[in-house]
This record gives sequence, C-alpha cells and structure tokens, in this order.
Amino acid sequence: AQKVTQAQTEISVVEKEDVTLDCVYETRDTTYYLFWYKQPPSGELVFLIRRNSFDEQNEISGRYSWNFQKSTSSFNFTITASQVVDSAVYFCALRTSGNTGKLIFGQGTTLQVKP
Amino acid sequence: NAGVTQTPKFQVLKTGQSMTLQCAQDMNHEYMSWYRQDPGMGLRLIHYSVGAGITDQGEVPNGYNVSRSTTEDFPLRLLSAAPSQTSVYFCASSLTGLGSYNEQFFGPGTRLTVL
Repeated sequence: AQKVTQAQTEISVVEKEDVTLDCVYETRDTTYYLFWYKQPPSGELVFLIRRNSFDEQNEISGRYSWNFQKSTSSFNFTITASQVVDSAVYFCALRTSGNTGKLIFGQGTTLQVKP
Repeated sequence: NAGVTQTPKFQVLKTGQSMTLQCAQDMNHEYMSWYRQDPGMGLRLIHYSVGAGITDQGEVPNGYNVSRSTTEDFPLRLLSAAPSQTSVYFCASSLTGLGSYNEQFFGPGTRLTVL
C-alpha cells in the first residue's frame, strides 16, 4: 500500500524561528516521486519541490531546504528564519511509477508563523 | 498563459441537483485530474484522464462523471448532489501522467456546498 503520513497537524512558531515539517511515506515501488505543495490562506496549491527515488541529494532553495532519506522513508522540509508569509498548509505527496499517475497526499501540516 | 482555470469559484446546491464544474488548461498537457479536499484528509483523486477520449476512476469516483473530448477541457459532473459532496474541488494537469516525474499544476479550486 502507498501512504503518506504528516504526523504534525499544526505547528505554531514565532517569526525567525526555524521549523521542520515531517513527511514519512510508504511504498513498495523502487521508482517513485515525492513532492511538497504549499496551500496559502488564499487556497491555491503551489508546487515547491519534487524528488525522484534515485536522487537522495538534499536541496536548498533560499530559506527552504529538503532532506530526503530513503533509509527512513522520510522527506522532511525545513524553513529557516520563518516569516509570516510562510503561514500555510503544507502537503507532502507521493507519486509512484506504476499507478494511475495520481498524487497520494498526506493530511497536511498547518504552519502558523506569528510576528 | 492562464494555466489551469476552474469555474465557478463557489457554488451552493440543493440535494439532488446536478451541475458541472468546469476545468480548462492551456498548456497542452496530456494528463488531467480532479481531486477533492476535505478537512484533515488531504486531497483525494476522483477521476483522471491521460488524454482526449480516455478517462478512468480514481479513489473516490462515486457520484461523479467526467469526459475528455478535447485536450484542454475536463469537466466534472455531479449527477445528483449529496451533502457528502460538500468539499473543495481541484482540477490539476501535468505534461504526462503515468509514471511521470512532472509536477501537477492545480487550478484555484471550486468550493461546493450541498444543502
């Protein structure tokens, strides 16, 4: 079975704090893709990053970084020096090579960054 | 380039009414899909299409119909609305679908309430 678990339902931090959003996935496929999406209060879904199962390199993009570890089936997302504009719901998603092409989403983590 | 567009943005229906949610993309994407988002459940796939004339069921297809007569359009029809279909509906598209590394682009969503 394929599954994505985001155990943190809600996180609240004060501006400039670092915060890590956890994502754990389950799949038996050897080829798969992992994604993070952001859903700000306006409601749209914004693509942040993708990773394929053969690329375990961590990635940094400005204040955002992602840590992919196949050994623990995790794809965690860290925001450094958080800002109020980072307040949103963040979704981790899994797409495997042999299925319908669908994204399997986690339940989402609501991040609130207070000024 | 408008990306993925959805209409209407908001809709209120009475139980038993039917309606069509519209989705269009102008990126010449082969793959299109419909998701519903419910609190605490992430997004779940309703139907998807890998190209014009080809559609298939996702995880939660009951009560919904789709067709794909053109590459650009992928309407979602509610046959007889029920309160359980109260949700936010997202249409998404990507260059290709099956086994694809490509990220999905999401429309702005339609918030549907069934009374």
